[in-house]
Amino acid sequence: QSALTQPRSVSGSPGQSVTISCTGTSSDVGGYNYVSWYQQHPGKAPKLLIYDVSKRPSGVPDRFSGSKSGNTASLTISGLQAEDEGDYYCCSYGGTNTPILFGGGTKLTVL
Amino acid sequence: QVQLVQSGPEVKKPGASVKVSCKASGYSLTVYFIHWVRQAPGQGLEWMGWINTNSGGTNYAQKFQGRVTMTRDTSINTAYMELSRLGSDDTAMYYCTRSLSSIDFDCWGQGTLVTVSS
Repeated sequence: QSALTQPRSVSGSPGQSVTISCTGTSSDVGGYNYVSWYQQHPGKAPKLLIYDVSKRPSGVPDRFSGSKSGNTASLTISGLQAEDEGDYYCCSYGGTNTPILFGGGTKLTVL
Repeated sequence: QVQLVQSGPEVKKPGASVKVSCKASGYSLTVYFIHWVRQAPGQGLEWMGWINTNSGGTNYAQKFQGRVTMTRDTSINTAYMELSRLGSDDTAMYYCTRSLSSIDFDCWGQGTLVTVSS
């Protein structure tokens, strides 16, 4: 299975909302409610933002939300802030043969 | 606090092997699975496999089967990832991370840079 498909880049102005999509297949994103999202700043390890499609770990602002429709999961960031700039990755369970898949990553620019 | 602390950077020649360690602190290693994820320079995240730190059972991505070995030493709360027959395309930052019952990677090591160069 190939990596999950994400847009290469998205951008928005402070205070606006942006949505990052993550498209897979019925064998991964569409087949399980095991999708997570990660934020990565340059030179840093990834940070968990969302798990199980829409659950938020403690400490993650409620500006970050996740959803799923069919084979596509989405991460929405509302009230954009400068510190949100960075790379975002989705991740999905892919079944027995390919248990974990990552998306190719999306670079978010805050204008 | 909960931490995963990895071993230092490595420089290896093509064909060699590398073993990276990941020491858990602030919690018992055996409560969570440990996964290994790598990231080539300027590229995205790539899952390599997991180890059930309680049973020692493993599940490797097809791409790495036959070349990767994940182990753990519960007496010192440490997990290991060994990758053999290194090539230049194995040059990457290698991360360990943990999950409980889902793909909720809530804690990550700081990363270990492995450079493969002749």
